[in-house]
Amino acid sequence: EIVLTQSPGTLSLSPGEGATLSCRASQSVGRNYLAWYQQKPGQPPRLLMYGASSRANGIPDRFSGSASGTDFTLTISRLEPEDFAVYYCQHYANSPWTFGQGTNVEFK
Amino acid sequence: ELQLVESGGGLVQPGGSLRLSCAASGFTFSTYWMAWVRQAPGKGLEWVANIRQDGGETYSLDSVKGRFTISRDNAKNSLFLQMSSLRAEDTALYYCARVWSYGAGDYGMDVWGLGTTVTVSS
Repeated sequence: EIVLTQSPGTLSLSPGEGATLSCRASQSVGRNYLAWYQQKPGQPPRLLMYGASSRANGIPDRFSGSASGTDFTLTISRLEPEDFAVYYCQHYANSPWTFGQGTNVEFK
Repeated sequence: ELQLVESGGGLVQPGGSLRLSCAASGFTFSTYWMAWVRQAPGKGLEWVANIRQDGGETYSLDSVKGRFTISRDNAKNSLFLQMSSLRAEDTALYYCARVWSYGAGDYGMDVWGLGTTVTVSS
């Protein structure tokens, strides 16, 4: 099973600031078979990125993703009020699909 | 409008059974892989199971193998999760999700329902 470790657990930021979220995989996830999701309280997750760096349909370009080996990064260039949420990475390289434990981006 | 609506959750005693359903609308259900994902209260997301378009291929979490069965009825645009031998640790909000294939092995769960709550307690 591939274990995904996200850091930090919590990011305290203000609107307009940039956010950098990390996700480290315990082993290769193939051809960057990694997705990112955003979840707000009381809502289901929302797909942000797939293939580590491709934005899903309708996702604004302030969201970007990158990969370096087994290290993955989600960057939010300038936080909007609606971006404060929990973010999860998830791999789909093989079964079982697993999620990271999440990073909470909260208001400072 | 793309929509997934889960139902069938409830309170069940340890060792009991439940059958979750997910009704799909607004898209051609039979052409998509589908998945169940759960979230324990106050916790993160956990993938539970996937099923291929024709139901001929399934994958599931080790901890639910032999207890949970994912299935689908394409004629009724419905996804199911039959759960038996339920344990306290199965208590969670269960989401169904559409799995979109972007090609070249890339996938994303792009449409989600609001979930149905399963509580396993005596």
